[in-house]
Amino acid sequence: EIVLTQSPVTLSLSPGERATLSCRASQSASNNLAWYQQKPGQAPRLLIYDASNRATGIPARFSGSGSGTDFTLTISSLEPEDFAVYYCQQRYNWPPLFAFGPGTKVDIK
Amino acid sequence: QVQLVESGGGVVQPGGSLRLSCTTSGLTFSNHGMHWVRQAPVKGLEWVAFITNDRSDYAYVESVQGRFTISRDNSKNTVYLQMNSLRVEDTAVYYCAKDKGKFYMDVWGKGTTVIVSS
Repeated sequence: EIVLTQSPVTLSLSPGERATLSCRASQSASNNLAWYQQKPGQAPRLLIYDASNRATGIPARFSGSGSGTDFTLTISSLEPEDFAVYYCQQRYNWPPLFAFGPGTKVDIK
Repeated sequence: QVQLVESGGGVVQPGGSLRLSCTTSGLTFSNHGMHWVRQAPVKGLEWVAFITNDRSDYAYVESVQGRFTISRDNSKNTVYLQMNSLRVEDTAVYYCAKDKGKFYMDVWGKGTTVIVSS
């Protein structure tokens, strides 16, 4: 079983600042990692897949990096609409099983 | 435009059953695996179940194994989640999500709420 750990739990920043979110996996899964954004009362939205590929329609200020067990989501300059909870997700085994991290909340400082 | 619409949620007593449906449109449904993901109140996301596009494989989170069954009807563009022996801890918003390929979830429904309470 893969366990995903996200840090920090909460990130308090101002609009325009850079956000760096971390996701660590308990075992290597190559670059099979995704990032999702969830706003209150809304369904999650896929931001990044394969660790570094932006999903359709995702602004360039969102970028992902990493491989193996350590991954990072970077928001280069926070916009007001970026304050949300961010989850990482990996797949492992076959038939596939899926794990989400516990989330990082990015809130307004 | 791809749309997923969940239905079938409600209030049920512990030990009871519910069947969730997720009706899709705007996609070639038979080409895509489908997921159910849930979110308990004020909690994070928990993946629940997955079914391949052709129903050849299924997978479940351990906590629902033997109680929940995922299925699909490609002629109706619909995926289902049959939930039996429900427990209080199954209370959550249940989302269906389309698999993008490579096991990422790229389109989500708005969710349906399941409350298990006596």
